Amino acid sequence: IQLTQSPSSLSASVGDRVTITCRASQDISNFLAWYQQKPGKAPKLLIYGASLLQSGVPSRFSGSGSGTDFTLTISSLDPEDFAIYYCQQVKTYPRSFGPGTKVDIK
Amino acid sequence: EVHLVESGGGLVQPGGSLRLSCAASGFMFSNYWMTWVRQAPGKGLEWVANIKEDGSQKYYVDSVKGRFTISRDNAKNSLYLQMNNLSAEDTALYYCARYIWLDFWGQGTPVTVSS
Repeated sequence: IQLTQSPSSLSASVGDRVTITCRASQDISNFLAWYQQKPGKAPKLLIYGASLLQSGVPSRFSGSGSGTDFTLTISSLDPEDFAIYYCQQVKTYPRSFGPGTKVDIK
Repeated sequence: EVHLVESGGGLVQPGGSLRLSCAASGFMFSNYWMTWVRQAPGKGLEWVANIKEDGSQKYYVDSVKGRFTISRDNAKNSLYLQMNNLSAEDTALYYCARYIWLDFWGQGTPVTVSS
């Protein structure tokens, strides 16, 4: 299963609402996760099951979608949210990640 | 507190072998699927392999099938990745991660394949 993400990068300001899209090449139901990675750090799980917020993750992060189209939304961008975001499907093997979306400061 | 600590990375010549280890603590290791993920320098994440709680099921990305072997020792709370016939394309930071949703990650161990 191929995952595409759009946009590949975006520039935003603190307080902005940000939306990142992930599209799967075939139906993956809700078997999708979102990760955040900051430079030099390991990825961090944000969302699993397409819409379930991982414990400890701020509520400004939310996920939605099912089937082939998914969205990660940051309701109000915080300075610590500038990072790369990856989606991953766990419906079939081999598991696959999207190419990532870089969110940087405008 | 969950901790995953990878080790065993290093510089190896093309065609060589390495065995990565991941020491787990802070949770019941034998109750969780475990996963290896790698990241080439400046690139995105690539899922490599995972293994069921009891080691009875293992899955690999196509590019490593026949060369890499994932294993675990639940008595030692450890995950392993035996990597054989390495090539430059295997150069990456290798992470171990817990479960199917990858809810905890180690800090990674670097593997460089170069002559």
